[in-house]
Amino acid sequence: DSGVTQTPKHLITATGQRVTLRCSPRSGDLSVYWYQQSLDQGLQFLIQYYNGEERAKGNILERFSAQQFPDLHSELNLSSLELGDSALYFCASSVATTNNEQFFGPGTRLTVL
Amino acid sequence: QKEVEQDPGPLSVPEGAIVSLNCTYSNSAFQYFMWYRQYSRKGPELLMYTYSSGNKEDGRFTAQVDKSSKYISLFIRDSQPSDSATYLCAMAGSGSARQLTFGSGTQLTVLP
Repeated sequence: DSGVTQTPKHLITATGQRVTLRCSPRSGDLSVYWYQQSLDQGLQFLIQYYNGEERAKGNILERFSAQQFPDLHSELNLSSLELGDSALYFCASSVATTNNEQFFGPGTRLTVL
Repeated sequence: QKEVEQDPGPLSVPEGAIVSLNCTYSNSAFQYFMWYRQYSRKGPELLMYTYSSGNKEDGRFTAQVDKSSKYISLFIRDSQPSDSATYLCAMAGSGSARQLTFGSGTQLTVLP
């Protein structure tokens, strides 16, 4: 158990809908990263937050957004969902923004029908 | 061309064998190198973390980094059936944000 929690474990929804994925980092970790894992693209970095502020953006679609709250938990919002958004979404956390030892949560499996 | 290339396998070995997993990369800015193990679409688990070139050993696992060749390796000694998983290499630069760039993963099966 990495200490990173993610909810829900599974999410099934329809095209055009909006969903919110939640992540709680390990105790003491200030940095949160979101990754998407699909069969054809592998694990890809989406966005990073550090102590409430956005620090880096990767291949994140404009339909996707995220935030980190004062209690350090983070939410990833996915809107106008398409079939191709079906994937595993992982959250990872690290102590600091410059620390590479990232610990991953169990993931949320999103299925868009 | 992808920044990080990794042979997807699958790789099948008998129990007790030495396993060698490799990645190559093209981005010279990568300074930090990691290996993660992922069981059947669960969350990746950090196995090894190294900085710059050199070797690092942890139990049955040895990580090697050769920055001059842009090549990293993970060796697993005395492999066990419980080592059967997908192994992902990951890399990061030295900027203020340390997002990871992953290889596509190598699927390993250790046969009893």
